Amino acid sequence: DVKVTQSSRYLVKRTGEKVFLECVQDMDHENMFWYRQDPGLGLRLIYFSYDVKMKEKGDIPEGYSVSREKKERFSLILESASTNQTSMYLCASGEGATDEQFFGPGTRLTVL
Amino acid sequence: QKEVEQDPGPLSVPEGAIVSLNCTYSNSAFQYFMWYRQYSRKGPELLMYTYSSGNKEDGRFTAQVDKSSKYISLFIRDSQPSDSATYLCAMSAPSNDYKLSFGAGTTVTVRA
Repeated sequence: DVKVTQSSRYLVKRTGEKVFLECVQDMDHENMFWYRQDPGLGLRLIYFSYDVKMKEKGDIPEGYSVSREKKERFSLILESASTNQTSMYLCASGEGATDEQFFGPGTRLTVL
Repeated sequence: QKEVEQDPGPLSVPEGAIVSLNCTYSNSAFQYFMWYRQYSRKGPELLMYTYSSGNKEDGRFTAQVDKSSKYISLFIRDSQPSDSATYLCAMSAPSNDYKLSFGAGTTVTVRA
């Protein structure tokens, strides 16, 4: 079974802190994605990566950056956390552009 | 206007009822249509995947795509309490690098 793991299920951070969310997949997938999920808004794409060292902005990249040093690992970075970044963050991986995306369990981040 | 609109719900139905879930979309370039199921405190998992127009059936689940009306549906027959979850429609287009656009999700509760 494909497994996508995220480093934390719950995180509480203070405004202005730098926050790292880690995601690891074990199926050698080329593509990895970071979404945030908010009530009434669904999933919105923050960043994605189709290859190691390569990253592309999604629909809402402001305030975020990413790192993909190894194929299996994709990190989301909040440079200076703000309260409007309180959300559920979901990582996903997939093989091809039109293939199924496999999601991790999510990290619920609260910024105080 | 959102690119993908999904009936907001929530829906509460008795066990054995037929559940009908719907999404409309505005981008006529969408070609790939998916339904994801998300249980509480879990990441979404793919339930149904359809390319272009038509129907697809998998056990108690039927997905329909009507590209002329820009409308997709998911039907759950003989619903079970284990079907209680949030259902998310998603779609993609080659013109958008196949990035997934999600609906906001509909939460379904099947009462025993």
